[in-house]
Amino acid sequence: QVQLVQSGAEVKKPGASVKVSCKASGYTFTSYSITWVRQAPGQGLEWMGWISGYNGNTNYAQKLQDRVTMTTDTSTSTAYMELRSLRSDDTAVYYCARGGVYAIDYWGQGTLVTVSS
Amino acid sequence: EIVMTQSPATLSVSPGERATLSCRASQSVSSNLAWYQQKPGQAPRLLIYGASTRATGIPARFSGSGSGTEFTLTISSLQSEDFAVYYCHQYNNWPRTFGQGTKVEIK
Repeated sequence: QVQLVQSGAEVKKPGASVKVSCKASGYTFTSYSITWVRQAPGQGLEWMGWISGYNGNTNYAQKLQDRVTMTTDTSTSTAYMELRSLRSDDTAVYYCARGGVYAIDYWGQGTLVTVSS
Repeated sequence: EIVMTQSPATLSVSPGERATLSCRASQSVSSNLAWYQQKPGQAPRLLIYGASTRATGIPARFSGSGSGTEFTLTISSLQSEDFAVYYCHQYNNWPRTFGQGTKVEIK
């Protein structure tokens, strides 16, 4: 069965960076893309960006373009999302999900990132 | 960027009743529209893709319709497990975008 397992919760200080991992199993990693979505406390879903599992092409949300980097390691079927220069309003649950060119179908369990001094 | 607007923000429905949720796109997204259900503390779950195709394992009481800019998610007879927040999502244009969500609560 398709599974996306994310790394654990993080607490970071303002200005720091965080890197969240997402390990995929149950399907051919290079046949699908990975989308990253975040959700601030009590808020809706925000699309952050997309990375192709096939060739690593990316497409980022404009507001995050300068601070986010998405990568993949096809040898371990793992996707990564790094967010730099963290601010308090980056506090959110970060989700990876399979898909993005077409509908997103499977989601990871989410990773809570808390930014606090 | 395509703006997805969902209405109403909150829908109060009694169990067994029908719920109708709307999603409007600021420009055409063809049929590249998905619906997700999210319960507290859980990741979203895919309900509908291609505007009207139920995802694997989704009960027949969930149905989607529409194309272009106007879409509807209908839950024909609400069960206790259906009380949740529902999001629409367009995957026709970059950047992809989500609606702000409709909360379906018990009346």
